[in-house]
Amino acid sequence: EADIYQTPRYLVIGTGKKITLECSQTMGHDKMYWYQQDPGMELHLIHYSYGVNSTEKGDLSSESTVSRIRTEHFPLTLESARPSHTSQYLCASTPGGLESHTDTQYFGPGTRLTVL
Amino acid sequence: GQNIDQPTEMTATEGAIVQINCTYQTSGFNGLFWYQQHAGEAPTFLSYNVLDGLEEKGRFSSFLSRSKGYSYLLLKELQMKDSASYLCAVMDSNYQLIWGAGTKLIIKP
Repeated sequence: EADIYQTPRYLVIGTGKKITLECSQTMGHDKMYWYQQDPGMELHLIHYSYGVNSTEKGDLSSESTVSRIRTEHFPLTLESARPSHTSQYLCASTPGGLESHTDTQYFGPGTRLTVL
Repeated sequence: GQNIDQPTEMTATEGAIVQINCTYQTSGFNGLFWYQQHAGEAPTFLSYNVLDGLEEKGRFSSFLSRSKGYSYLLLKELQMKDSASYLCAVMDSNYQLIWGAGTKLIIKP
């Protein structure tokens, strides 16, 4: 079983606030991902990272930023929360390096964000 | 554009067999994944197919036909705990996962 953690699990916040969603994994995985998922809908890739100091934008990246200063930590920041950000945010990681593209993704438990 | 199609919802009876289909149109293909997701929880890996044919893993099997852009997940001896959403995801030519919206499977006693 994978060890990947997300905090907070639930967050209710007002419009305009800056928030950071935390994701940590203790498996030494190189690749990490952030997804957004609405109920009954597909996962949308927000950001991903191949390793320390590597960050790439996904489909929904324009309103958020990430950093990868340490292998185990991949926080996601929303500079100014809006009601349209209300969703579930899932963090995932895979063990492989650049060449291990088809490794299974292990998911954290998710953060359910509500912006009022 | 890239597209993954799965039925939105299926219903089956405990102890029976169900087949969940997935068709895809993507720019390139580097494998197809099936994940299980219980309500309010994170997805968990079920299977990976990159070559044509059937992969069997206990009660679950997954089939792939690359020429038809088609896969299915077969669940045998259904149990109540199998009630969940089943997500099909394809890895494209850029090694990015394209996700389907998932099939919600309802198991009735």
